[in-house]
Amino acid sequence: DAGVIQSPRHEVTEMGQEVTLRCKPISGHDYLFWYRQTMMRGLELLIYFNNNVPIDDSGMPEDRFSAKMPNASFSTLKIQPSEPRDSAVYFCASSRRDGGGDYTFGSGTRLTVV
Amino acid sequence: AQKITQTQPGMFVQEKEAVTLDCTYDTSDPSYGLFWYKQPSSGEMIFLIYQGSYDQQNATEGRYSLNFQKARKSANLVISASQLGDSAMYFCAMRERDDKIIFGKGTRLHILP
Repeated sequence: DAGVIQSPRHEVTEMGQEVTLRCKPISGHDYLFWYRQTMMRGLELLIYFNNNVPIDDSGMPEDRFSAKMPNASFSTLKIQPSEPRDSAVYFCASSRRDGGGDYTFGSGTRLTVV
Repeated sequence: AQKITQTQPGMFVQEKEAVTLDCTYDTSDPSYGLFWYKQPSSGEMIFLIYQGSYDQQNATEGRYSLNFQKARKSANLVISASQLGDSAMYFCAMRERDDKIIFGKGTRLHILP
């Protein structure tokens, strides 16, 4: 199993540009989570999906952020327009429904907005 | 209110000593799970250990053990015989019935040679 795959690993973009982060969860996992990590705020849960359906997006900072999961093997997190304060590491994680400790993170995307 | 509290922002420990990283949690769900993750300077999140709320025994994984005290809502991570490679950020997390997983602020552990 290749684990949770995120792309790109690093992204540098100019303020105002659209940014799309991608995630491929582990096959067979029912849940997909998007987190943002910053020094100031730690690891924040942005949104999570169950069977491709968004369950809780209360952590999404504002309307500039959106996430989709068109199928069981792919999810995107989009920021439009991006701002410097969006600079962070964005993690995707996936798990099974009754997976206990089976909860795996991707390698993360380091986003820098200049 | 914080659901996961890690009171130690940073710790310095001599190599080969045992380390206890504190974690307390807050939930009213009878069914929940507790996790510990390690994040080295390279940035990846590495799963260490898991404890289910109904598990009778404390979880152990090699040098890692979880000191689960349900009545006190405490889930401390114990690392035995610490090594230089244990220097990292450590996060405690909780999964409740809604399957949402929330993380604490973390503890930065420094192992001294």
